[in-house]
Amino acid sequence: QKEVEQDPGPLSVPEGAIVSLNCTYSNSAFQYFMWYRQYSRKGPELLMYTYSSGNKEDGRFTAQVDKSSKYISLFIRDSQPSDSATYLCAMTPGESSYKLIFGSGTRLLVRP
Amino acid sequence: DTEVTQTPKHLVMGMTNKKSLKCEQHMGHRAMYWYKQKAKKPPELMFVYSYEKLSINESVPSRFSPECPNSSLLNLHLHALQPEDSALYLCASSQDLGRQYFGPGTRLTVT
Repeated sequence: QKEVEQDPGPLSVPEGAIVSLNCTYSNSAFQYFMWYRQYSRKGPELLMYTYSSGNKEDGRFTAQVDKSSKYISLFIRDSQPSDSATYLCAMTPGESSYKLIFGSGTRLLVRP
Repeated sequence: DTEVTQTPKHLVMGMTNKKSLKCEQHMGHRAMYWYKQKAKKPPELMFVYSYEKLSINESVPSRFSPECPNSSLLNLHLHALQPEDSALYLCASSQDLGRQYFGPGTRLTVT
């Protein structure tokens, strides 16, 4: 079993839809949680960064962390065709650990 | 500004060539990283430098040789690569634990 599980998709939604992307993990030591967006043949772009449990909102994006369920989510409101990309969750225990554990990535397609 | 730059953007090299990838950040970040990414896979950590010292080597073959000349620069020297080493090579930097910022990558093709 992988430490971080993420549905690879593809997930296809119409423009304007609310998108929900999710990851589950097994290591209860994880404390720092990130979402990256990666366009084809480009480097990953940090979208959201959260510490421990709770919600964080930034524009159309909301990140949720539920440590009791070992489950994190990224919501995208009013999705746009420009949101079409691969979304990677990543996490780390912190405590001097530099190593990120990535999910496999979910490919999202927003149809005009 | 959270920019990490990488050169070159594309590189084609033969199996007997020696080449170098370069990475630069001017954010004052204390840690810099090299990752390898194959198509439809997440980035795979290769090396971590912390305060200009190599702190993590993920059992990478010796044909990949990292170098950190100063706190802003990171190089990856390549020698005698194999076709299976063809991939997107990503550099990243961070100040905080976990919050890594990636460069655009170098697309490497080994012929």
